[in-house]
Amino acid sequence: RKEVEQDPGPFNVPEGATVAFNCTYSNSASQSFFWYRQDCRKEPKLLMSVYSSGNEDGRFTAQLNRASQYISLLIRDSKLSDSATYLCVVDTGGFKTIFGAGTRLFVKA
Amino acid sequence: EPEVTQTPSHQVTQMGQEVILRCVPISNHLYFYWYRQILGQKVEFLVSFYNNEISEKSEIFDDQFSVERPDGSNFTLKIRSTKLEDSAMYFCASRRQEETQYFGPGTRLLVL
Repeated sequence: RKEVEQDPGPFNVPEGATVAFNCTYSNSASQSFFWYRQDCRKEPKLLMSVYSSGNEDGRFTAQLNRASQYISLLIRDSKLSDSATYLCVVDTGGFKTIFGAGTRLFVKA
Repeated sequence: EPEVTQTPSHQVTQMGQEVILRCVPISNHLYFYWYRQILGQKVEFLVSFYNNEISEKSEIFDDQFSVERPDGSNFTLKIRSTKLEDSAMYFCASRRQEETQYFGPGTRLLVL
C-alpha cells in the first residue's frame, strides 16, 4: 500500500462547480496533514493545514478522519485560477514528509 | 515576505560530474529539507536536517548525496557522481518550530 494515496484524476470541471479530492495515508502514527497546490513546473505552495476538527478557508474546506486515515479537500465555486495539481502531504513526525502523487484539476470556462 | 531561494535555477552537467545545489532558507527557520521531483512524477523526500545534522533520509539519499550547512545561511545538496536518473527538479524547503514548510523555486538538474 502506498504511504499516501490520492484520487488519480484528472478532474475536469466547469467554473462554479464543487469538486472534492480524497486522500488516504498508511502510517497511523502520522501527525500533521496538509494540502499543497502545485502549478506546472513550480514549487509546491501550502494551501491549508488539515485538522481533525475540520477547517475552512474561503472556498476551501479540509477534513481529517484519523480513524479512517482519510483526508479530504473540498473546493466550492471553482475558478479558472484553481486549475493546478493538488498534493496531499503527510508529516510522519517532523522529519519526514510524504507527498501523494497529486490530483490534477482543470477548471474550464 | 521572506522566502526560500535556490541557485542555480537550471544546471546541465555531464554524467559522473559532481554538482552542488544551493539553498538559502528563511532566516529564522530551524528545519531544512531537500526533495526531488522527476518530470511527471511525485515530489519525493530526500533528507531533513536539524541542529547541524541529518534527522532523517530516504532510501534515495545514498552515499552519492550529502548535505551541508556551511555558514549558517546556505544549505547545500551535493551529488558526487551524477547519473542520468538524477535528472529532476530539486526543491529545498525550510520551517520553524511550526509545521508549515516553505519551498524554494527549485533547481532543474539535467544530467547528460
